[in-house]
Amino acid sequence: EDQVTQSPEALRLQEGESSSLNCSYTVSGLRGLFWYRQDPGKGPEFLFTLYSAGEEKEKERLKATLTKKESFLHITAPKPEDSATYLCAVQWRDSNYQLIWGAGTKLIIKP
Amino acid sequence: DAGVTQSPTHLIKTRGQQVTLRCSPKSGHDTVSWYQQALGQGPQFIFQYYEEEERQRGNFPDRFSGHQFPNYSSELNVNALLLGDSALYLCASSTGPSYEQYFGPGTRLTVT
Repeated sequence: EDQVTQSPEALRLQEGESSSLNCSYTVSGLRGLFWYRQDPGKGPEFLFTLYSAGEEKEKERLKATLTKKESFLHITAPKPEDSATYLCAVQWRDSNYQLIWGAGTKLIIKP
Repeated sequence: DAGVTQSPTHLIKTRGQQVTLRCSPKSGHDTVSWYQQALGQGPQFIFQYYEEEERQRGNFPDRFSGHQFPNYSSELNVNALLLGDSALYLCASSTGPSYEQYFGPGTRLTVT
């Protein structure tokens, strides 16, 4: 069964303490992997799309990387405003563009 | 440039009733997808509309139906509401089915 698993479920960091979030997937024939940020009670905000192993994308303190079986979202020197739930979603070639979503990692940055 | 908009923001309904949620896509987008998100979980795909047709559907019963209008806006209808239908309903738009999806703020539906 095609699955997307995110870890850890929750992560508490001090302001400035860098870390990484993981998204592993078991789908075959990856078309694209998407990272989103979601604040409580709001819709997900698009961050990155990765299409092939070895690809990297950066935005401010965030950097996303992709291998054949997983993706990492690296957060460098985070600030309290980076606190949110980070979701990843996967689209595969036989899915007719449907997305499978992970359950998310809740990130809390303490000042 | 307006992003994806959804209405209403919140809705309270009674079991057995019917509800209609509305979505206007981001300017320039022609594809609308609907998702259900329970608390603490990732979004679950309901269906996607492109060129006014339902192109694909997730694992949701026929009580969930939709429509896309010529201006690309969309409606999600849920009949015979159950307590388990309580969730955040998200609409996402994109330029075609395969591209990045941009989400609206969601409609919080509570079924009592």
